[in-house]
Amino acid sequence: DTGVSQNPRHKITKRGQNVTFRCDPISEHNRLYWYRQTLGQGPEFLTYFQNEAQLEKSRLLSDRFSAERPKGSFSTLEIQRTEQGDSAMYLCASSLAHRGAKVKVANVLTFGAGSRLTVL
Amino acid sequence: QKEVEQNSGPLSVPEGAIASLNCTYSDRGSQSFFWYRQYSGKSPELIMFIYSNGDKEDGRFTAQLNKASQYVSLLIRDSQPSDSATYLCAVPNAGGTSYGKLTFGQGTILTVHP
Repeated sequence: DTGVSQNPRHKITKRGQNVTFRCDPISEHNRLYWYRQTLGQGPEFLTYFQNEAQLEKSRLLSDRFSAERPKGSFSTLEIQRTEQGDSAMYLCASSLAHRGAKVKVANVLTFGAGSRLTVL
Repeated sequence: QKEVEQNSGPLSVPEGAIASLNCTYSDRGSQSFFWYRQYSGKSPELIMFIYSNGDKEDGRFTAQLNKASQYVSLLIRDSQPSDSATYLCAVPNAGGTSYGKLTFGQGTILTVHP
């Protein structure tokens, strides 16, 4: 399977605890994205990487959130001191963007199955 | 005004009918537009994208784009119960190199009943 893999699929934690999610993108893809989705809403952009560089982070993203992609392959998203408002589905996606690629192709995201976080 | 707006529905159509899903966007610089389908409890999957004014057809799906009106729609012909899902309209960040930074609408829930 060469799709986007996320784990854990479900995480239940108590308020104030730290949680970490992992994403393994499609191996040929150099861009990796994190989105968050709450019930009844579309996915909301959080941050993205090109290779190991984090190029953009949403202004809406609290300092409690940190993401890494240390070797340009898998990525982790850590949430510190979780709050009930952090309960959501955290989606990872990847795409291929390079100088010769058409923009529209680079915008084609393949999503993983998501990691659902419940903060009690 | 939200950047990308969709009728949240739910939209209910009988099997075999045409389902029409609509989306408006606020950024006139937007160049391409994406439709994703999301089954309950699953992640979004790309159906099609469009970047030129007019219609683009792919099987039972037709995307329609009108940049002057800042409007994009998705038509599903011969709707099947398996088409029942949430349909998300997405618009990439206009310009720059922020590829993949998509702004999604809230989604339209479609139910196709037998």
